[in-house]
Amino acid sequence: EVQLVESGGEWAQPGRSLRLSCAASGFIFDDYALHWVRQAPGKGLEWVASISWNSGARGYADTVRGRFAVSRDNAKNALYLQMDSLREEDTALYYCAKGGGSSTYYYYDSWGLGTLVTVSS
Amino acid sequence: DIQLTQSPSFLSASVGDRVTITCRASQDINNYFAWYQQRPGKAPKLLIYGASTLPGGVPSRFSVSRSGGDFSLIISSLQPEDFATYYCQQLKNYPLVFGGGTKVEIK
Repeated sequence: EVQLVESGGEWAQPGRSLRLSCAASGFIFDDYALHWVRQAPGKGLEWVASISWNSGARGYADTVRGRFAVSRDNAKNALYLQMDSLREEDTALYYCAKGGGSSTYYYYDSWGLGTLVTVSS
Repeated sequence: DIQLTQSPSFLSASVGDRVTITCRASQDINNYFAWYQQRPGKAPKLLIYGASTLPGGVPSRFSVSRSGGDFSLIISSLQPEDFATYYCQQLKNYPLVFGGGTKVEIK
C-alpha cells in the first residue's frame, strides 16, 4: 500500500524559511515523479512543484519560483520542499503526491494527508 | 500558460440526479488531463486520468466526454458519497494548473 507522510509544517514569520519532508513507502520510489500541491484555507488546489524520478526535471509555479526548491533523496525514499522568503499567501495545507510515471507529466495517483504551514507575523 | 476554466463552481443536486461538470482548456492538451475528487476534510483522490481512464475502484457511474477543448465529468446517478469538490488538472505543460473546483452539494 502506498503511503506518503508529510512533515515539517508549522508557524513561521514572513521572510523566514521552512523545509517540508515527505516520507514514502509501498512503491519503488525512484520509478516515479513526485509533486507538491497546496491548498489555502477554504480555497482550491494549487500546483506548487514537481520533480522527475531522477531529479533531472523540476518545475515550479510562478508564485513560488525562485523562493521554493524541490528535491528528493532516492536512497531515503524522501521528498523535500525548501521554502525560503515565506509570505503570508504561502499559508496552506501542503500535500505530497505520487505521480503515475517517471516524468512529471503523469496524473497524481496517491496523496498524503498534508502538513499545515502558517505564515504570519 | 494553459488556463483551465471549470464550471459551474457550485451545484446543488439530489441523490439519483445526473450531474455534468465541465473544464475548458485554453490550448490543446491532448489527453494530458485528470479529474480528482476531494471529500470534506480529506486529501484529493484520483478519479479519472488520461482524459478518460478510471483507476481501479472508481465506480462506473463516473464517465467523461470531450468536445474539442472541453472536458466533461459526468456522474450518471449521484450517490451520497459523491457530494464533494471536483477538480480538473492539465498535465501537458508547466504550470500544471488545476481548475478552480466544483463543489457538489445536497439539494
